[in-house]
Amino acid sequence: NAGVTQTPKFQVLKTGQSMTLQCAQDMNHNSMYWYRQDPGMGLRLIYYSASEGTTDKGEVPNGYNVSRLNKREFSLRLESAAPSQTSVYFCASSSGTGGGGGNQPQHFGDGTRLSIL
Amino acid sequence: GNSVTQMEGPVTLSEEAFLTINCTYTATGYPSLFWYVQYPGEGLQLLLKATKADDKGSNKGFEATYRKETTSFHLEKGSVQVSDSAVYFCALAGAGSYQLTFGKGTKLSVIP
Repeated sequence: NAGVTQTPKFQVLKTGQSMTLQCAQDMNHNSMYWYRQDPGMGLRLIYYSASEGTTDKGEVPNGYNVSRLNKREFSLRLESAAPSQTSVYFCASSSGTGGGGGNQPQHFGDGTRLSIL
Repeated sequence: GNSVTQMEGPVTLSEEAFLTINCTYTATGYPSLFWYVQYPGEGLQLLLKATKADDKGSNKGFEATYRKETTSFHLEKGSVQVSDSAVYFCALAGAGSYQLTFGKGTKLSVIP
């Protein structure tokens, strides 16, 4: 039961470097999401993809780009990493379709712990 | 915009004590409400949900009732166990929205 798989689990970058966080789900879900979790801030939505072929900005999209590669995979890219992007990043998916996506539970990966020096 | 406010932690309880974690929300229309739990080093897991007023979500001995009149969704458990130690997040999804809005989380520690 893989569910949502994120790679890598840990990463250390230097300021200005780029990297891509990978996420794949095996539940045939339509919607996928990227969040960041910072101490005392809860989770904040970076980008989401309501269905294959679409992506939309969330609450904190600046400094990030996403690609919905196919129905299974949704990647998050940092083009020029900054220390403020040090965080734990979570990918999630849900079965939501149409306009009712929000009331379907989201399934989360175990996170990528990213440090930027 | 939508917002969720939950009681700040950390909360420390003895085993078998009663648990309440308060959660209130601000949203237009009729949002769906959720409680998620995060164990150390893991992602979030759905604990329970309610999608309309007066619904009660329940799972693993935890309960929460969707109260439209008080815009609340408080989490309760009658007798906590050490294994319940985790961070609990209240969240809402606006009607027709894909976006979950989370509270800041409440860390619960249960001591034997």
